[in-house]
Amino acid sequence: AQTVTQSQPEMSVQEAETVTLSCTYDTSENNYYLFWYKQPPSRQMILVIRQEAYKQQNATENRFSVNFQKAAKSFSLKISDSQLGDTAMYFCAFMKQGWDMRFGAGTRLTVKP
Amino acid sequence: KAGVTQTPRYLIKTRGQQVTLSCSPISGHRSVSWYQQTPGQGLQFLFEYFSETQRNKGNFPGRFSGRQFSNSRSEMNVSTLELGDSALYLCASSLMSSSGVPYEQYFGPGTRLTVT
Repeated sequence: AQTVTQSQPEMSVQEAETVTLSCTYDTSENNYYLFWYKQPPSRQMILVIRQEAYKQQNATENRFSVNFQKAAKSFSLKISDSQLGDTAMYFCAFMKQGWDMRFGAGTRLTVKP
Repeated sequence: KAGVTQTPRYLIKTRGQQVTLSCSPISGHRSVSWYQQTPGQGLQFLFEYFSETQRNKGNFPGRFSGRQFSNSRSEMNVSTLELGDSALYLCASSLMSSSGVPYEQYFGPGTRLTVT
């Protein structure tokens, strides 16, 4: 079974600084997909970034980037120039092709002014 | 494009009753997944439907069931409600291909179910 571990239940960062959220996963699959989702206090889950396991290049979306280490089964999210609107729960998720999505327990990120 | 919609947004039921939740996916999305979110268990996958067929199912008892209609709208049903079923139920739709290659999932706002 696939498991996703987020070892940081809570983190905080000063506005404009950089923060990295950690995620590790366990799978025997070779083809899969990894995601970071954000759930603000309003509760609507929003996709932040997506990474295909077969791609070696790390995904980037504006201020959000990942460090994907396939051999280490690690998938961390870096948020640069943190903004107050980044305050949310962040979930790391794993999906095997054609299968369900497994989520980590989440990291509560607070951006402080 | 309209987002994923879920109805109702809030629901209060009594133990032993049954409940039906509805989800309308984004237009063109044929894959619909359901998740249960609780403080203790986090986000747990319930099931996924594609073209009216349940393709995948999580580790939940048979009291949890679902279906998908020809217009991709989906419903989930929970029978004989228990206190532990109190949760936020999230629906997500995806432009997943028929070969199973997933695109990102778009989530609805959720239905908050409280069982008393």
